[in-house]
Amino acid sequence: EVQLVESGGGLVQPGRSLKLSCAASGFTFSNYGMAWVRQAPTKGLEWVATISYDGSSTYYRDSVKGRFTISRDNAKSTLYLQMDSLRSEDTATYYCARSLNYGGYSAAFDYWGQGVMVTVSS
Amino acid sequence: DIQMTQSPASLSASLGETVTIQCRASEDIYSGLAWYQQKPGKSPQLLIYGASSLQDGVPSRFSGSGSGTQYSLKISSMQTEDEGVYFCQQGLKYPYTFGAGTKLELK
Repeated sequence: EVQLVESGGGLVQPGRSLKLSCAASGFTFSNYGMAWVRQAPTKGLEWVATISYDGSSTYYRDSVKGRFTISRDNAKSTLYLQMDSLRSEDTATYYCARSLNYGGYSAAFDYWGQGVMVTVSS
Repeated sequence: DIQMTQSPASLSASLGETVTIQCRASEDIYSGLAWYQQKPGKSPQLLIYGASSLQDGVPSRFSGSGSGTQYSLKISSMQTEDEGVYFCQQGLKYPYTFGAGTKLELK
């Protein structure tokens, strides 16, 4: 059974840092691209970042570029999101998700973690 | 960025009724379209990818269609467990973008 379990969320002041982790099990982690998707309270879904199966390629939305870093440790089957210079608008539930590549160049997210809440407030 | 516009924002349906949700992309996404269902307090669940491919384990009453910029999700016979919020997502170009969601309730 595929499982994705996030951890590391919490309350943090603006300008500070936080690192999220996502422990994967039930599949060969090193074969899949992975992503972080967030959802602000009572809002819709927003893609944050994607990393390739081997970590060689990363992609970010503009609003987090230069502040967030997605990374992975395939030996530990763990995905990370280092979040620096946090802003109030980063407040959201952060989901770890597995990428499903199809059609040669498109992607969806076929498994999601339960999510971890990040609150940025003074 | 590719904008995804969903309609309607909300709807209610009776048991057994057919439900259709629309999603329009701001440019051609060449069937790079997925649909998700999210229930309150839960993570999203993938229903459809590639515009019309049913994800494993998803009931066959769910179907997707469309091409170019226009896509739709159909539920052929509304069930109690189908209540929730439905999102479309384009996965062709970064940044991947989602529609604002359609809240489906049982009438």
